[in-house]
Amino acid sequence: AQKVTQAQTEISVVEKEDVTLDCVYETRDTTYYLFWYKQPPSGELVFLIRRNSFDEQNEISGRYSWNFQKSTSSFNFTITASQVVDSAVYFCALSEAGYSSASKIIFGSGTRLSIRP
Amino acid sequence: KAGVTQTPRYLIKTRGQQVTLSCSPISGHRSVSWYQQTPGQGLQFLFEYFSETQRNKGNFPGRFSGRQFSNSRSEMNVSTLELGDSALYLCASMGGNYEQYFGPGTRLTVT
Repeated sequence: AQKVTQAQTEISVVEKEDVTLDCVYETRDTTYYLFWYKQPPSGELVFLIRRNSFDEQNEISGRYSWNFQKSTSSFNFTITASQVVDSAVYFCALSEAGYSSASKIIFGSGTRLSIRP
Repeated sequence: KAGVTQTPRYLIKTRGQQVTLSCSPISGHRSVSWYQQTPGQGLQFLFEYFSETQRNKGNFPGRFSGRQFSNSRSEMNVSTLELGDSALYLCASMGGNYEQYFGPGTRLTVT
């Protein structure tokens, strides 16, 4: 069975600090997708990234970076120089690969990130 | 390109009633999925429709049903509402790049 664990329930840091959100997943599938979503107070889930299981290259997008390590089944998310606008709940998620099954996303419980000015 | 839209945004119903929620996907997207978000259970997959057919289903009772129209718009129906059905219902559409984009959600309160 697939499972996503986000052990950090809440994190609070001061603005401009770097922060890493941890994500550990379980799956028996050999190919799968990993995702990160952001949910601001408005409630809408905002897509951040999708990573294929066969692509372990780390990715950087502005202040955001993702570290995917298949050996430890982890897909961690780092925000560099955090800003107050980064305050939100962040979800790590997993789905099977393949167009017919990629829509069924298993979400972690989320990490509530608060950035203090 | 317009995003995913959901109507209504807020809804209050009484136990035992039924409710219908609507979702319009991003233009060109044929896959529409529905999720329920509650404080206790988190985000849970309800079902997915693709080309008017239910393609995937989560572990929810038969009171939860849906359908999709030829223009890819989807509706979700919950019959015989229970207090535990109070939740944020999120709709997502997926295109060919396997990325799901979510709507703003419908917040349902059952009293």
